[in-house]
Order: sequence, then structure tokens, then C-alpha cells
Amino acid sequence: KNEVEQSPQNLTAQEGEFITINCSYSVGISALHWLQQHPGGGIVSLFMLSSGKKKHGRLIATINIQEKHSSLHITASHPRDSAVYICAVKGGATNKLIFGTGTLLAVQP
Amino acid sequence: DGGITQSPKYLFRKEGQNVTLSCEQNLNHDAMYWYRQDPGQGLRLIYYSQIVNDFQKGDIAEGYSVSREKKESFPLTVTSAQKNPTAFYLCASSTMRGSDTQYFGPGTRLTVL
Repeated sequence: KNEVEQSPQNLTAQEGEFITINCSYSVGISALHWLQQHPGGGIVSLFMLSSGKKKHGRLIATINIQEKHSSLHITASHPRDSAVYICAVKGGATNKLIFGTGTLLAVQP
Repeated sequence: DGGITQSPKYLFRKEGQNVTLSCEQNLNHDAMYWYRQDPGQGLRLIYYSQIVNDFQKGDIAEGYSVSREKKESFPLTVTSAQKNPTAFYLCASSTMRGSDTQYFGPGTRLTVL
């Protein structure tokens, strides 16, 4: 079993829909990252959080430390949101990250 | 602009040849990382370096080598000992502060023929 599990693996949505991607982890962490990877391959960091909730534009990330679970929400989705969304956790005192396998999101117009 | 560059974006090599992937950063970051990405799998750490002239093996270091002679550069050599070298390789860097995120380069797609 992977230490970081994401669901769903694939998600297709219509433009304007509210989207939720989930991440569960089984290790102790100091922080959790949400990353976005576009078809060209480059990765951009969206959020880093260790508690509560963060919001940036139409993106919202939440984390529940007790339940070892995080969600990434996209409001009013748009085709340009189509990408792979990756959850990664940082364990303990190191800077090493453990990555989920990603969620492939396709937003259709 | 500050950032991380990787070159080339696409690389083709014949089986049995060593190949070196470039990674340069001008963010003044102490830590640098190399990851491998394969379809259906999460990124896996190959090597990382927290300071010049020092580096540590990651989870899948066999068949790879690195050097860190300069703070801004962390080249990765894929040797002929790597059994399945065809993959997408990503370089990243960060400060040593645990509260900071990692910044990723655009990646190099290596295909061994």
C-alpha cells in the first residue's frame, strides 16, 4: 500500500463544476503539498499546508491532521484547469517528499 | 527571472551509453533534488544534495550518479547500469527551511533506444 493515496485517479468534469480531489496518507508529516503538472510536464506548487485551510483564487486546500486526509477543491472549473494534480507529504524533519500517483483532471467546455 | 532550468527537454540515447542531464538554479537554494517519473507512479527520489560537495542517495539511486561542485548546478548521469532508463526526469530545489516548498524544473524526457 502506498504511503500517499489519491482519489480519484481520473476525473472528467464539465466547465463550471465544483471539483474535489482527495489525498490520504499513512505517515506522520510536517507538511502536505498540492502540485499541478501540465501536459508539458512542468510542475507548479499550488499549496503547502500543515493545518486548516488555504485559498488561492478558485482553489481551496484543506487538511485534517487527525484523519490524515487532505482535499483540493476547484470552484467554477475551467478547461485550463485540466492537468495532473499531485499530493505530496513531507515527513518529519527532512525536506524529502513522498508523492501520490496523481489525479488526471479533464475539464470539458 | 529566478528559476530552475533543465536541458535538454528531450533526449535520445542508444542502449549502453551514459548520458548526463543538466539542472541549473539561480534561486540561491542550498538543497537540490532529482526525481524520476514513470506512468502510473508517483515521483521517486533518485538523489538529493543539501550542500555543495555533498549528496545522498534517494530511494532509487542504483544506476545513477550525481555531482554538486557548485551551488547552482546538480547534474545527473544515467549510466549504462540503469536497467530501465527511459523516463521523465525532474529536478527541484529548495531552501533548507522546512517551511519552504520545492521548486521544480521543466523536466527532461529521456528515451533510450
